[in-house]
Amino acid sequence: AQRVTQPEKLLSVFKGAPVELKCNYSYSGSPELFWYVQYSRQRLQLLLRHISRESIKGFTADLNKGETSFHLKKPFAQEEDSAMYYCALSGGNQGGKLIFGQGTELSVKP
Amino acid sequence: NAGVTQTPKFRILKIGQSMTLQCTQDMNHNYMYWYRQDPGMGLKLIYYSVGAGITDKGEVPNGYNVSRSTTEDFPLRLELAAPSQTSVYFCASRLTGGESTQYFGPGTRLLVL
Repeated sequence: AQRVTQPEKLLSVFKGAPVELKCNYSYSGSPELFWYVQYSRQRLQLLLRHISRESIKGFTADLNKGETSFHLKKPFAQEEDSAMYYCALSGGNQGGKLIFGQGTELSVKP
Repeated sequence: NAGVTQTPKFRILKIGQSMTLQCTQDMNHNYMYWYRQDPGMGLKLIYYSVGAGITDKGEVPNGYNVSRSTTEDFPLRLELAAPSQTSVYFCASRLTGGESTQYFGPGTRLLVL
């Protein structure tokens, strides 16, 4: 079965500290992985996709097929990074459906 | 472009009442989705549509109905509201093929008492 797991509900760090939000997935084929972010009182928006291999707002994520992981990393957290982060998987299914993880709330303290 | 818009923003329903959550997108996207977001549970897919006249169930369709008469609109209907349907509902859309990013609406917060 397709599944996305984000083991941490809440991650609290100080400004300037490194951040790693964990995401593990279960899928037998070649998935497409995403990170979505939801800032306070705003809609979900795409942060990055593994296919594009880009860095957005200093965040990067590498797909590790051996460990079935897609962890989100940033070397120096900023207060404006405080938000809810969701890892999502698309398995190439009909309709392009996304399967979301439970989400991790990132709190960056001054 | 307004993107994906949803109405209402917030609604309180009594048990057994019905209502329709509206979703409209102006990006000419064929694919549209309805999710519910419960605290600590992430987003669960309720229904989706791959084009006008075509809808299919997602992971949690019970208690909901949808229709897709136009490319732009994808309303979600609650017939007999129950407390378990208290949630935040998000509509999303994306292009067919190619760019697979889903674009989300601002959400509708529903409270069933």
